[in-house]
Amino acid sequence: DQQVKQNSPSLSVQEGRISILNCDYTNSMFDYFLWYKKYPAEGPTFLISISSIKDKNEDGRFTVFLNKSAKHLSLHIVPSQPGDSAVYFCAASALSSNTGKLIFGQGTTLQVKP
Amino acid sequence: GAGVSQSPSNKVTEKGKDVELRCDPISGHTALYWYRQSLGQGLEFLIYFQGNSAPDKSGLPSDRFSAERTGGSVSTLTIQRTQQEDSAVYLCASSTGAYQETQYFGPGTRLLVL
Repeated sequence: DQQVKQNSPSLSVQEGRISILNCDYTNSMFDYFLWYKKYPAEGPTFLISISSIKDKNEDGRFTVFLNKSAKHLSLHIVPSQPGDSAVYFCAASALSSNTGKLIFGQGTTLQVKP
Repeated sequence: GAGVSQSPSNKVTEKGKDVELRCDPISGHTALYWYRQSLGQGLEFLIYFQGNSAPDKSGLPSDRFSAERTGGSVSTLTIQRTQQEDSAVYLCASSTGAYQETQYFGPGTRLLVL
């Protein structure tokens, strides 16, 4: 049972344009959502997060939107840069887990073309 | 300070052999997580350690997998009688232990079982 889904395996955008990465979840107990970025042969690095009490969080070029009724979140990157090319993972956690363990989506490979 | 380190970075083994993977968390981090990423998949939670509490082993896929954390710091993940389906990248992460605190990942160990 895939509780966190990223339905687009890949996305290609032009430098300077907006990149929108999407993520859906099924578990209503999730109350914290994160995006991680991963380069080849490296571990994931934390990018941005959002608590379920918010619907938007912004950090520089990165904004995460949360739609709880639709169980959907998205990551917007504006403007996109070639260095943003990586695999992006959506993840979620629930306080009720008592561990903070993260449930990850399958990832979306973003390619930003110069 | 130093980030999360893992060793070895790569491991090739024969089916049926045992392997040990090591994780050195960030100094002072009380929470430690193991995840694995199979080819084309997202990260899958394996096990969680927090201080001196009993670990959450709910993600371990079979009894061939075990992990320990000595002295509240270094952790070792052991896979006995390895199978080809165990081939994956094994990632370790640590955090301060408070809920919603960022998990910092190591570079991973790439395990290939022939």
